[in-house]
Amino acid sequence: QKEVEQDPGPLSVPEGAIVSLNCTYSNSAFQYFMWYRQYSRKGPELLMYTYSSGNKEDGRFTAQVDKSSKYISLFIRDSQPSDSATYLCAMIEGSNYKLTFGKGTLLTVNP
Amino acid sequence: EAQVTQNPRYLITVTGKKLTVTCSQNMNHEYMSWYRQDPGLGLRQIYYSMNVEVTDKGDVPEGYKVSRKEKRNFPLILESPSPNQTSLYFCASSITAGGRTDTQYFGPGTRLTVL
Repeated sequence: QKEVEQDPGPLSVPEGAIVSLNCTYSNSAFQYFMWYRQYSRKGPELLMYTYSSGNKEDGRFTAQVDKSSKYISLFIRDSQPSDSATYLCAMIEGSNYKLTFGKGTLLTVNP
Repeated sequence: EAQVTQNPRYLITVTGKKLTVTCSQNMNHEYMSWYRQDPGLGLRQIYYSMNVEVTDKGDVPEGYKVSRKEKRNFPLILESPSPNQTSLYFCASSITAGGRTDTQYFGPGTRLTVL
């Protein structure tokens, strides 16, 4: 079983919808959790990072971590066509510096 | 402007011909990393470096070498490239390891084709 599993999508939603993106993980040593956004033909860019269970909000984006269930989510409110991209979850252990990514979910927001 | 640069951006080569992809950052970051991205497999870490002369393997290090002689540069070396190393490669840098509490900046990518 791969350490990080991400819903593959693709996901297509109308503009203004609430989007939920999810990852599960099996390695209980993961301590830091990140969400990246990658536009076509570009490098990934960090959206949010967190290291504790609970919710972290930044504008229209909310990252949620449930360490007991080994589950993380990214919620996008009032989605916009400019949010159309591939979203990648990423995790890192507390004891080393190796980064593990999910395979990514392709999101399309239709005007 | 804070940035990570990679060269070349595109490269077509033949099996066995040694090549180097350069990576440079201007932010004085300690942590640098190389990734490859393949359809259906996502982004996978090849090597990372915590500081000058400190490197370690990621998930897919076979067939690659790195060096970190200066803080700003982190070249990726393919001593004997093979077709299965055809991929899109990204270099990245951050203050903390993997950008776990800060932003990890990615370069624009190098598309490598090995014939």
